[in-house]
Amino acid sequence: GDSVTQMEGPVTLSEEAFLTINCTYTATGYPSLFWYVQYPGEGLQLLLKATKADDKGSNKGFEATYRKETTSFHLEKGSVQVSDSAVYFCALSELRAGANSKLTFGKGITLSVRP
Amino acid sequence: DGGITQSPKYLFRKEGQNVTLSCEQNLNHDAMYWYRQDPGQGLRLIYYSQIVNDFQKGDIAEGYSVSREKKESFPLTVTSAQKNPTAFYLCATTRGYGYTFGSGTRLTVV
Repeated sequence: GDSVTQMEGPVTLSEEAFLTINCTYTATGYPSLFWYVQYPGEGLQLLLKATKADDKGSNKGFEATYRKETTSFHLEKGSVQVSDSAVYFCALSELRAGANSKLTFGKGITLSVRP
Repeated sequence: DGGITQSPKYLFRKEGQNVTLSCEQNLNHDAMYWYRQDPGQGLRLIYYSQIVNDFQKGDIAEGYSVSREKKESFPLTVTSAQKNPTAFYLCATTRGYGYTFGSGTRLTVV
């Protein structure tokens, strides 16, 4: 079955540091890949997505590139801010004919950014 | 604004009680999902529904039940058979790839 593996957390960085959160996946078909962010006490919000190999998703300074050869979708940001403190989830979905897609999530990683 | 509404935000359950969590959407999406979130375990799928009057078990359906009598509504009942119900519950909808999540219900057994 499909699965998503994220690096172990939590991660604590100083403001303006470079961020990388690793994500790899296993899928039977050709999935779409996503990063979701969850702020304390809230639901999940879509951060970015990529639907085919070599696509780069980007939003709010975050980027991730769909690497089919390494089955990876690592999240990066060049300069983090305190407001980026949240839980980040990597996810995949495989759209099958006649059905809406199910999302499979990684375990999530907590990012704390200190001033 | 279109969106998805979960209620209540906080819910307390006594041992042996059934409780129902509400999820309502006005996005006109066909598919709706219930996920359970526990610290360090990510999100796990409980039940999902692709169309009205039809639903499927997810990975951890034991101790839960759902109904889908209307397109807009997908309530989740946590039964007394669920031995460890304390968690954060998230409802989501989708049409195709994009998921929209509600703000969640935190259920605590007292």
